[in-house]
Amino acid sequence: NAGVTQTPKFQVLKTGQSMTLQCAQDMNHEYMSWYRQDPGMGLRLIHYSVGAGITDQGEVPNGYNVSRSTTEDFPLRLLSAAPSQTSVYFCASSPRQGAHGYTFGSGTRLTVV
Amino acid sequence: AQSVTQLDSQVPVFEEAPVELRCNYSSSVSVYLFWYVQYPNQGLQLLLKYLSGSTLVKGINGFEAEFNKSQTSFHLRKPSVHISDTAEYFCAVSAETGNQFYFGTGTSLTVIP
Repeated sequence: NAGVTQTPKFQVLKTGQSMTLQCAQDMNHEYMSWYRQDPGMGLRLIHYSVGAGITDQGEVPNGYNVSRSTTEDFPLRLLSAAPSQTSVYFCASSPRQGAHGYTFGSGTRLTVV
Repeated sequence: AQSVTQLDSQVPVFEEAPVELRCNYSSSVSVYLFWYVQYPNQGLQLLLKYLSGSTLVKGINGFEAEFNKSQTSFHLRKPSVHISDTAEYFCAVSAETGNQFYFGTGTSLTVIP
């Protein structure tokens, strides 16, 4: 009963490098999303998906890319890392929108130097 | 779209004292409301949610919240806090027919021995 699994837990990148944050859920949830958490700003939605093959932008999508080829996986790609992307990233999933609320992963702490 | 305002960024309270964490929301449509808790270096956990029906909602760890439609509020309360309640608390809103959750900026609750 893993829930939502995020890897890695910690990562340091140099400016300009690219990387993929992994997210997998084993609950057969349709809805998945990525948030970033910054001090004093709460959680801001980066991208979300309402099912395999369907993704859409959230509040702060610039510099990030996503795909959803399977129900289980929803990776987040940083195309060219910038110091402004230093943050804690959370993946979350839900059976569908609205009533069920989210199940969150434990987060990835990313530092871009 | 919806939005959430958490009126207090930090709330210190003595152990065994009552606490109220305030949340106001804005929406032109019917919504679902949630409170999440985040312990240090962890992901977010669902405390409680309001979907419909009774306006007083009970959650885990002795917390409860009251939905007030006229005041557009969903304040979180606990009659007697413990040291272990020290954490960040987030209020969130989702439209009943929407695809996105909107989070407040969080309230840091510190319980003082």
